[in-house]
Amino acid sequence: QVQLQESGPGLVKPSQTLSLTCTVSGGSISSDNYYWSWIRQPAGKGLEWIGRIYISGSTYYNPSLKSRVTISVDMSKNQFSLKLSSVTAADTAVYYCTKFSYYSATYYAWFDPWGPGTLVTVSS
Amino acid sequence: QSVLTQPPSVSGAPGQRVTISCTGSSSNIGAGYDVHWYQQLPGTAPKLLIYADSNRPSGVPDRFSGSKSGTSASLAITGLQAEDEADYYCQSYDSSLSVWVFGGGTQLTVL
Repeated sequence: QVQLQESGPGLVKPSQTLSLTCTVSGGSISSDNYYWSWIRQPAGKGLEWIGRIYISGSTYYNPSLKSRVTISVDMSKNQFSLKLSSVTAADTAVYYCTKFSYYSATYYAWFDPWGPGTLVTVSS
Repeated sequence: QSVLTQPPSVSGAPGQRVTISCTGSSSNIGAGYDVHWYQQLPGTAPKLLIYADSNRPSGVPDRFSGSKSGTSASLAITGLQAEDEADYYCQSYDSSLSVWVFGGGTQLTVL
């Protein structure tokens, strides 16, 4: 079973770019036909799917965040990354990286496993 | 407002059975997209509990079960234990929004 670990700055200033990296261990990020995703959770609130990337580099983002999100993959480091630009206080949340699994079509996908999460606070 | 609607809270005594509902619409659950359930213990990341409506990953006790009918899905927990106290989230795909969506979460209290 692979394990995931998020890393990156815990504090970002408004209007700047949030950058996080997810390191995958216990298996190759490029093995099998998996996608990799980012999900966030504001304190005391629910979960919001941010986007996903395939090992080919193909991406798909939540339309509500699409203009500000970039997800990339570095297979040599077994990592994938999230960049969210022009952040505001509304982007303050715990950010999780996760494997995006499915059995027939991606519409049926679920998320497992998850990293422990990292809190990113947007404040000056 | 979440696309998938869950009750904010449910409670039950040890040993009892509780159910958590997840109500969607014709663009998500009603369209036939799978429903998945996650358990989030305090201060931890969500953990997959049920996938593809009613399947349990290895290691999840059979006290947890999932079902789906029409535009709704349910998670049932039998033989409630103190360690089940957590937040529970349902998840599916929404074709109108073209995103994977979550319910607002249900806080389970074991009395």
